[in-house]
Amino acid sequence: EPEVTQTPSHQVTQMGQEVILRCVPISNHLYFYWYRQILGQKVEFLVSFYNNEISEKSEIFDDQFSVERPDGSNFTLKIRSTKLEDSAMYFCASTYRRTNTGELFFGEGSRLTVL
Amino acid sequence: KQEVTQIPAALSVPEGENLVLNCSFTDSAIYNLQWFRQDPGKGLTSLLLIQSSQREQTSGRLNASLDKSSGRSTLYIAASQPGDSATYLCAVRPADDKIIFGKGTRLHILP
Repeated sequence: EPEVTQTPSHQVTQMGQEVILRCVPISNHLYFYWYRQILGQKVEFLVSFYNNEISEKSEIFDDQFSVERPDGSNFTLKIRSTKLEDSAMYFCASTYRRTNTGELFFGEGSRLTVL
Repeated sequence: KQEVTQIPAALSVPEGENLVLNCSFTDSAIYNLQWFRQDPGKGLTSLLLIQSSQREQTSGRLNASLDKSSGRSTLYIAASQPGDSATYLCAVRPADDKIIFGKGTRLHILP
């Protein structure tokens, strides 16, 4: 069964360092998302991406964050200068349709620990 | 602003019992509602998606209902098993693409 894959599963970094989280969405999906979940808290929307552009972004997704689809398969989230509060689980998701029938599929997540 | 609430926050039931998890949302203008399962430290597994025009969806021992006008959804799990122990999340898709999650119900099935 097709699935969303994410790498790395866990990354430890020093505050101020740049981090890139990678995702391979399901191959025929058109809409891509990043979410994050701080330990013990809700899953929060960060950004949605379609047709090589950001569709929507939340207040969390500030200038330190960027997304890119560098080729036909990868979708990346970059954090330019990590802060302690960026420590969280980051989930990538994709869907074929952005309508009422559009089921969202998630990856296993990348745990980011900022020291 | 859309808010999604899940009650109870945690639930323990003996194996074999039927149970209901609740989800409520404040804005009825949604495209769909999706129920997910999350095991500790893991990703989100999609269980059921209910379109805004539907009243319920079934998959195996799971049945999800949607009452859009009252802003409620329930997830019914029949004949619970220890393997059902997990956190169950509901998420609503509004007209924009900012899907909103509840905080989840942590379910523990006692063997």
